[in-house]
Amino acid sequence: TQLLEQSPQFLSIQEGENLTVYCNSSSVFSSLQWYRQEPGEGPVLLVTVVTGGEVKKLKRLTFQFGDARKDSSLHITAAQPGDTGLYLCAGAEGAQKLVFGQGTRLTINP
Amino acid sequence: NAGVTQTPKFQVLKTGQSMTLQCAQDMNHEYMSWYRQDPGMGLRLIHYSVGAGITDQGEVPNGYNVSRSTTEDFPLRLLSAAPSQTSVYFCASSRLPGRGAVYGYTFGSGTRLTVV
Repeated sequence: TQLLEQSPQFLSIQEGENLTVYCNSSSVFSSLQWYRQEPGEGPVLLVTVVTGGEVKKLKRLTFQFGDARKDSSLHITAAQPGDTGLYLCAGAEGAQKLVFGQGTRLTINP
Repeated sequence: NAGVTQTPKFQVLKTGQSMTLQCAQDMNHEYMSWYRQDPGMGLRLIHYSVGAGITDQGEVPNGYNVSRSTTEDFPLRLLSAAPSQTSVYFCASSRLPGRGAVYGYTFGSGTRLTVV
């Protein structure tokens, strides 16, 4: 099983600040997904990136897939309390199996 | 839209008891899977299925059984519960990919299991 390492594991910042979460592996993935999970709920898909170097934007969230397809980043601009949650990256292994990172728990303080 | 429905939401078991966690989806998804989520360890794959009658093991299958008799249902059975199986369990489903694509998962809201 391929491994995905996320950093940082915990991040607490003030509203309005910018932040970046990283997802790294020594293995190549055919695609990578980012999910957000709120307490008591299952993860919800935010984005899928497929091509090396690909950048996708979702309002204030910017996702990038590394050129070698081994890493990805999530950048949030002007964070808001509603961004609080657990962010998970997941790499595709085989036809449809996903291997997940351990998650980054993000807290945005008003 | 119901999506993925998991029952029960909470369960307490005594060591050695057995139980079945239910998972049903109404999206006609071919792929279904079970994960467990433990603090600091992310989601770990227990078992998965690419269609009715087909199941396979994931990363942490020991102590769990699955079957897939219909497209809609994918129950997870704990044969003899152990404290190490205390966790939050998530069922997820998706379409099977075409060439060069992978689809996002739809997750249920989870079952929080405590084994005492």
